[in-house]
Amino acid sequence: DGGITQSPKYLFRKEGQNVTLSCEQNLNHDAMYWYRQDPGQGLRLIYYSQIVNDFQKGDIAEGYSVSREKKESFPLTVTSAQKNPTAFYLCASSPRTGWNTGELFFGEGSRLTVL
Amino acid sequence: GENVEQHPSTLSVQEGDSAVIKCTYSDSASNYFPWYKQELGKGPQLIIDIRSNVGEKKDQRIAVTLNKTAKHFSLHITETQPEDSAVYFCAAGGAGGTSYGKLTFGQGTILTVHP
Repeated sequence: DGGITQSPKYLFRKEGQNVTLSCEQNLNHDAMYWYRQDPGQGLRLIYYSQIVNDFQKGDIAEGYSVSREKKESFPLTVTSAQKNPTAFYLCASSPRTGWNTGELFFGEGSRLTVL
Repeated sequence: GENVEQHPSTLSVQEGDSAVIKCTYSDSASNYFPWYKQELGKGPQLIIDIRSNVGEKKDQRIAVTLNKTAKHFSLHITETQPEDSAVYFCAAGGAGGTSYGKLTFGQGTILTVHP
């Protein structure tokens, strides 16, 4: 089945460690996104990429980094510079053409807890 | 940038009643307004969306209305069922050009349907 796969589902790390969250899609979508979700808040955009080898900062990019070397993959690294990294992270993809342009397809999320 | 406000933050109804969730947005350039349903521990799923060339859209028990002049849009769920219980998010953004997929989300509404 086509979809978006995020891993790991749960991740625990100590303060000061970098962690990388994986996101893979087989929907052949051009665009991919990373959102952060905190309790009682909406989703906030961290980074997005509309084409391979290109990505842009979202609203809360500080302390995060990404890469887009392949169309199907968009990993997110949470660095030690991120002051409050404990959160639920959601990856999404979107088609660039067609009747559903702009519609976001989400993965199941990765819950990161920093101890 | 875009700002989306969503109300109420919690909504409790009896099975069979209707539920209405309202959102306002600030950027008149936004032209795509999706609604997402998120179940516990999962990623959001699109349930209905509306684009700025229409004022209302219906899909079985779910409908969305859009008032571009007043910059608000609403989700209506009729004949609610316990399985409708979830968190609902509205969002606003662009569906084309370089802004596709860049959505600003509301804070979410926790809907509880009591049997």
